[in-house]
Amino acid sequence: QKEVEQDPGPLSVPEGAIVSLNCTYSNSAFQYFMWYRQYSRKGPELLMYTYSSGNKEDGRFTAQVDKSSKYISLFIRDSQPSDSATYLCAMSSNAGGTSYGKLTFGQGTILTVHP
Amino acid sequence: EPEVTQTPSHQVTQMGQEVILRCVPISNHLYFYWYRQILGQKVEFLVSFYNNEISEKSEIFDDQFSVERPDGSNFTLKIRSTKLEDSAMYFCASTTEGRNNSPLHFGNGTRLTVT
Repeated sequence: QKEVEQDPGPLSVPEGAIVSLNCTYSNSAFQYFMWYRQYSRKGPELLMYTYSSGNKEDGRFTAQVDKSSKYISLFIRDSQPSDSATYLCAMSSNAGGTSYGKLTFGQGTILTVHP
Repeated sequence: EPEVTQTPSHQVTQMGQEVILRCVPISNHLYFYWYRQILGQKVEFLVSFYNNEISEKSEIFDDQFSVERPDGSNFTLKIRSTKLEDSAMYFCASTTEGRNNSPLHFGNGTRLTVT
């Protein structure tokens, strides 16, 4: 079983749609959960960050973590063409020191939002 | 907003040659990382660096790889004798502290092509 699984898509939606992106994981030690956005030939850009379980909202973006199910989600409301990118989930454990930044990434989901 | 800077953006080298990839982390950051992304694959952790020494490294980071912080601003990744399979995007990342309020910031990467 892969440590982090993410459906690579591609996912194509019309402008204004609600987008749901998901990842599952197997490592119970993961405590920090992140969503990054990556444009072609660019570095990952942090979108959302959550510690442990719960929801977090930032503008049109909502991140959810369900540790009991080992399942995380990112919702994008009122999606825009500029949201077209690859979305990466990433997570790390709480072992201290640099382990926090040792991220395990999902495969990435390619999202296209059509005008 | 401060950012992680990587040079060069694209490096082409012949198999067996040494390459040095350079990074300037965000100035007040203390924890440094290298990741790589082979085309079409996941972003993978290579190495973490703190207090002028390697904290953790992955199986990918073998004896052909080394990292260095030669001065107060630069952070380098050296591949001693490149192989075809080293062709990838290499991302540098940094963070202020290894705790939950300092997410990882990535540079835009160096695309390494080994011929």
